[in-house]
Amino acid sequence: GENVEQHPSTLSVQEGDSAVIKCTYSDSASNYFPWYKQELGKGPQLIIDIRSNVGEKKDQRIAVTLNKTAKHFSLHITETQPEDSAVYFCAASKGGGGFKTIFGAGTRLFVKA
Amino acid sequence: DSGVTQTPKHLITATGQRVTLRCSPRSGDLSVYWYQQSLDQGLQFLIHYYNGEERAKGNILERFSAQQFPDLHSELNLSSLELGDSALYFCASSVATGGRSYNEQFFGPGTRLTVL
Repeated sequence: GENVEQHPSTLSVQEGDSAVIKCTYSDSASNYFPWYKQELGKGPQLIIDIRSNVGEKKDQRIAVTLNKTAKHFSLHITETQPEDSAVYFCAASKGGGGFKTIFGAGTRLFVKA
Repeated sequence: DSGVTQTPKHLITATGQRVTLRCSPRSGDLSVYWYQQSLDQGLQFLIHYYNGEERAKGNILERFSAQQFPDLHSELNLSSLELGDSALYFCASSVATGGRSYNEQFFGPGTRLTVL
């Protein structure tokens, strides 16, 4: 069935370092790949997304890359700050009549000051 | 604040009972999605409604049902509750129409359900 694998499950970095989270998806028809940040006690919040016709997208300190051939996409956070500490989820979905979004299991990011 | 509201914030009930969770989407959003988040299962897609019609279904149990009303708010009904149904239930909304190939979803704060 459809599946999204996310690695690592936990990531600890020093403030100012970069963090990379990787995901692979199984459904080749997936065409939209959002990334969400979830802080304690809150709902997931979209931080960046990429569509299947784009290979890379950047927004200030965060960037996402997509390799459709390998069915692989990654989140890159540069110059990490303590407020980046949260759980990050990747997801894959495909359009059409309805949207079924499959989430990865999440990565808990700790940024040490 | 995403603009999506969910009530109640917390719900404690007993096994075998039935509960209703409510979601109001962002103004102008026609699509509503329900997700279950438990410790061991992550975020699981349950169901998608667009303008009152069911459009996509995930691994939603038969004991669970949902609907979207003409004013676009949605309710998720959980019946014959079991201990394993204890989880956070999130609602999300988007402007997505049926023909779009992507959708940006905005999540509500969630309802924490505890089944004792």
